[in-house]
Amino acid sequence: GNSVTQMEGPVTLSEEAFLTINCTYTATGYPSLFWYVQYPGEGLQLLLKATKADDKGSNKGFEATYRKETTSFHLEKGSVQVSDSAVYFCALSENYGQNFVFGPGTRLSVLP
Amino acid sequence: DAGITQSPRHKVTETGTPVTLRCHQTENHRYMYWYRQDPGHGLRLIHYSYGVKDTDKGEVSDGYSVSRSKTEDFLLTLESATSSQTSVYFCAISEPDPTAPWDEYSNQPQHFGDGTRLSIL
Repeated sequence: GNSVTQMEGPVTLSEEAFLTINCTYTATGYPSLFWYVQYPGEGLQLLLKATKADDKGSNKGFEATYRKETTSFHLEKGSVQVSDSAVYFCALSENYGQNFVFGPGTRLSVLP
Repeated sequence: DAGITQSPRHKVTETGTPVTLRCHQTENHRYMYWYRQDPGHGLRLIHYSYGVKDTDKGEVSDGYSVSRSKTEDFLLTLESATSSQTSVYFCAISEPDPTAPWDEYSNQPQHFGDGTRLSIL
């Protein structure tokens, strides 16, 4: 079946450091890929998405590129801020409802 | 932000009692989902709905039932709550994009409510 693997962390960085959170997936077809962010006490918010190979999703300084050859969708940000501290989830969708799969989440802490 | 309201936001109850959680949306989205989030397990799908009165089971449906009598409301019921059902419950909604290519039509993002923290003692 479909699955998503991501580094679980926690990841601790200093403000203005470069961020990479790795995400790899297995899927039987052609999934869409997503990154979500969850702040304490809140639900998941869509951060960015990519729907086909070589697409780059971007939002709020975060980027991720859909790499079909390596089945990866790594999240990057050039300079993190304290306000980026949250849990980040990689996810894929192949068919409605049944195949929306989340990774375990990566907790990011950014220190001033 | 997507118009999704979960109620209650917090609930404490005792083992063996029935519990109903409500998800209300104002987006007129066709698809609605219930997840639970637990440390070490991430998000797991309990049930989902693809229209009024149309529901199906997810990965962890045992002990849960759902109902959807109106587009805007999706109810999750624990008929007889157990301590293992202590968790944070999230509702999500989504809608196909009729302007997207055929292979992306249904692979649209889900949008989440703020969750219900349920403790069963």
